[in-house]
Amino acid sequence: QKEVEQNSGPLSVPEGAIASLNCTYSDRGSQSFFWYRQYSGKSPELIMSIYSNGDKEDGRFTAQLNKASQYVSLLIRDSQPSDSATYLCAVYGQGAQKLVFGQGTRLTINP
Amino acid sequence: NAGVTQTPKFQVLKTGQSMTLQCAQDMNHNSMYWYRQDPGMGLRLIYYSASEGTTDKGEVPNGYNVSRLNKREFSLRLESAAPSQTSVYFCASSEYGGHTEAFFGQGTRLTVV
Repeated sequence: QKEVEQNSGPLSVPEGAIASLNCTYSDRGSQSFFWYRQYSGKSPELIMSIYSNGDKEDGRFTAQLNKASQYVSLLIRDSQPSDSATYLCAVYGQGAQKLVFGQGTRLTINP
Repeated sequence: NAGVTQTPKFQVLKTGQSMTLQCAQDMNHNSMYWYRQDPGMGLRLIYYSASEGTTDKGEVPNGYNVSRLNKREFSLRLESAAPSQTSVYFCASSEYGGHTEAFFGQGTRLTVV
């Protein structure tokens, strides 16, 4: 079982709709959770971090964390063509001090 | 502020050749990471250094070695390159462990022929 798993997609969403991205992780002791966005040919950049159960909102982005079920999700409201990218879920574990990424979900927003 | 700087940006190697990828950060971060990215595979952790003086294996360490030269620099060495090591390599750093944002270098595109 991979430590962090995502649906690799591709996920296609019409402009203006809500895009929903999901991620599960195996280390129950994980403490910190991140969503990174990566445009083709570029480096990943952080868009959201979340550390406690519940929702965290930042503009059009909402991260949701459920530690009991070991999943974290990202919602993008009012999706724009500029949101088309690969979204990477990253988890920091409690034991080994390492940041582990999922395989990424490729998102395409259709005008 | 340069952030995380990787060199080189592009490299072509012949099978069996060796090379070192350099990474330096100027943010006084404690933790540094090396990842490789292959199509559809996300970022896979090769080695990491939680703090100066320590290094640990990630999920794909075979064929690689690392050196945490000092707090700023973390290098990745391929002793005998293989075509399977063709990939994009990213170095990253964070303030301490993964509790805070990791910042990435611009990547090194390596081709082994």
